[in-house]
Amino acid sequence: EAGVAQSPRYKIIEKRQSVAFWCNPISGHATLYWYQQILGQGPKLLIQFQNNGVVDDSQLPKDRFSAERLKGVDSTLKIQPAKLEDSAVYLCASSSKTRGGYTFGSGTRLTVV
Amino acid sequence: LAKTTQPISMDSYEGQEVNITCSHNNIATNDYITWYQQFPSQGPRFIIQGYKTKVTNEVASLFIPADRKSSTLSLPRVSLSDTAVYYCLVGEVPAGGFKTIFGAGTRLFVKA
Repeated sequence: EAGVAQSPRYKIIEKRQSVAFWCNPISGHATLYWYQQILGQGPKLLIQFQNNGVVDDSQLPKDRFSAERLKGVDSTLKIQPAKLEDSAVYLCASSSKTRGGYTFGSGTRLTVV
Repeated sequence: LAKTTQPISMDSYEGQEVNITCSHNNIATNDYITWYQQFPSQGPRFIIQGYKTKVTNEVASLFIPADRKSSTLSLPRVSLSDTAVYYCLVGEVPAGGFKTIFGAGTRLFVKA
């Protein structure tokens, strides 16, 4: 089974610039999650999709962050404009109701300078 | 969502059994307990999940007492490659997905 694919692996941008991250979940996984992990902390859920609908985006800073999953498969997370405190690893995960737990991608490490 | 409390760090030696306990006093009836392992520069990896009593798989065992207010992840005969951060999560399992909160995790250091 192929894993969760994320790109790019690393990204360095200046503050106030925009950036986008891409995620392709495991085939057949209806639920997709974006997490933000700041160095030394556990992952924090930003948004959860069920197919192409948003289940929970209560912790997504909507003034600068947006996410979409138009066809219920791959997803894009965007930050515009970026702030220094957005420096973190952005993790995508997917899950299936037939198996416990999430499967995570390797993440995108964002550095805002 | 139930909050969890874990030790910040633990040390062990190769070949020893390691037990990491997680407290989740306000666990709800529909909540499952799930443990993840995370290495540097990688996403967390699912280890084991349970609801009550004992669950065992090829890498770990999970012990859950009757009141379910805590759980213990047991790693038999650890090796240097088990050095990682271990997260305990508690959350409901709705159809099609999960919703859980990661705490800071337990940093396990395995020494030679």
